[in-house]
Amino acid sequence: DTGVSQDPRHKITKRGQNVTFRCDPISEHNRLYWYRQTLGQGPEFLTYFQNEAQLEKSRLLSDRFSAERPKGSFSTLEIQRTEQGDSAMYLCASSFSGGGQPQHFGDGTRLSIL
Amino acid sequence: GENVEQHPSTLSVQEGDSAVIKCTYSDSASNYFPWYKQELGKRPQLIIDIRSNVGEKKDQRIAVTLNKTAKHFSLHITETQPEDSAVYFCAATHFGDSNYQLIWGAGTKLIIKP
Repeated sequence: DTGVSQDPRHKITKRGQNVTFRCDPISEHNRLYWYRQTLGQGPEFLTYFQNEAQLEKSRLLSDRFSAERPKGSFSTLEIQRTEQGDSAMYLCASSFSGGGQPQHFGDGTRLSIL
Repeated sequence: GENVEQHPSTLSVQEGDSAVIKCTYSDSASNYFPWYKQELGKRPQLIIDIRSNVGEKKDQRIAVTLNKTAKHFSLHITETQPEDSAVYFCAATHFGDSNYQLIWGAGTKLIIKP
């Protein structure tokens, strides 16, 4: 069990550019979640997948954000036309399906918008 | 929707003493309550969780209590050690159907004084 891995760990980009993050969940887990965390706050839910199906999206997820999990394994989160307010830590988590299954987090991708 | 409030925002205790962090939730349908520990720059790590059919759960120096009537749950850490210093987050969710969105508290920074 290698845990949840995220790539890259840090991303610095200019405002207006597009960025894409990758998450590799724990291999046995069929649920995958994306969160955003800003300094001093708890993680905010963005979206989640069960296998390849995106089942829920937060209102926080504007049209500039898109997430995919094409084969039900790794997932990508893309942000188009980045804005200053997108600067945050983007966390990925995975779990088994079913009620009350604990979510296991990756180390996150820290995005800084210049 | 669900709302989780967490207190205090900062807690400083002497090494060896106990620490208690409290959370309240608004949705009486919530039935799963995990606690996460996050060290600076690291991933949130699940330390203990409790389901609504249980009033208390203990794991070595860590315990969680749940009062469904009052809609609050607490984390208790006994015999605190320097490595307990971190930010602790509570969360709540109602698992059922396709919904498994965790709603997080704002976090408590725990400082263990030597």
